[in-house]
Amino acid sequence: KQEVTQIPAALSVPEGENLVLNCSFTDSAIYNLQWFRQDPGKGLTSLLLIQSSQREQTSGRLNASLDKSSGRSTLYIAASQPGDSATYLCAVSRSSGGGADGLTFGKGTHLIIQP
Amino acid sequence: DVKVTQSSRYLVKRTGEKVFLECVQDMDHENMFWYRQDPGLGLRLIYFSYDVKMKEKGDIPEGYSVSREKKERFSLILESASTNQTSMYLCASSLGRNTEAFFGQGTRLTVV
Repeated sequence: KQEVTQIPAALSVPEGENLVLNCSFTDSAIYNLQWFRQDPGKGLTSLLLIQSSQREQTSGRLNASLDKSSGRSTLYIAASQPGDSATYLCAVSRSSGGGADGLTFGKGTHLIIQP
Repeated sequence: DVKVTQSSRYLVKRTGEKVFLECVQDMDHENMFWYRQDPGLGLRLIYFSYDVKMKEKGDIPEGYSVSREKKERFSLILESASTNQTSMYLCASSLGRNTEAFFGQGTRLTVV
């Protein structure tokens, strides 16, 4: 059974710092990996999708990498801002080897950017 | 932009009631999903549907059923609500299998 782990569980940094969020998964047979952002009491906002054949994706100040063989992904946030404060979730697609479709999620990293 | 809309942000229901959570997407997506999110447990898949009238169980289907009579609408049904179904419920859709998923704003359900 796929397990997704996110480290650290919580992170507090001053504004302007560059930071890295980590995600690891136990089964490398994935189709893609997706990073989401969740604000308190709200739904999920998709940030980046990396297909299994890709190594990285970039959107603005965000860069996500994927090393499928080692079961790892990182989300790099450049020049952090207070508006980046949120919970960041990593999710991997479920493999085609039986079972339901959909995503398997990590428990998230709660990020606070101090002004 | 893809829009996934859940009919209610907050619901309070009594134990034993039949509860309907509604979700509508406007991008002609094939796949739709229902998850629940609980502190310490994260998001877990309840049911998903890959076509009209088609459904498959996720990891925690017990106590739930679903209905997809039209492509754009996916309903989650709590047959007899119980207090352990108090949770945040999130609907999602995607164009095809293993494509980008888009989520609604969530429904916080409290069963008393």
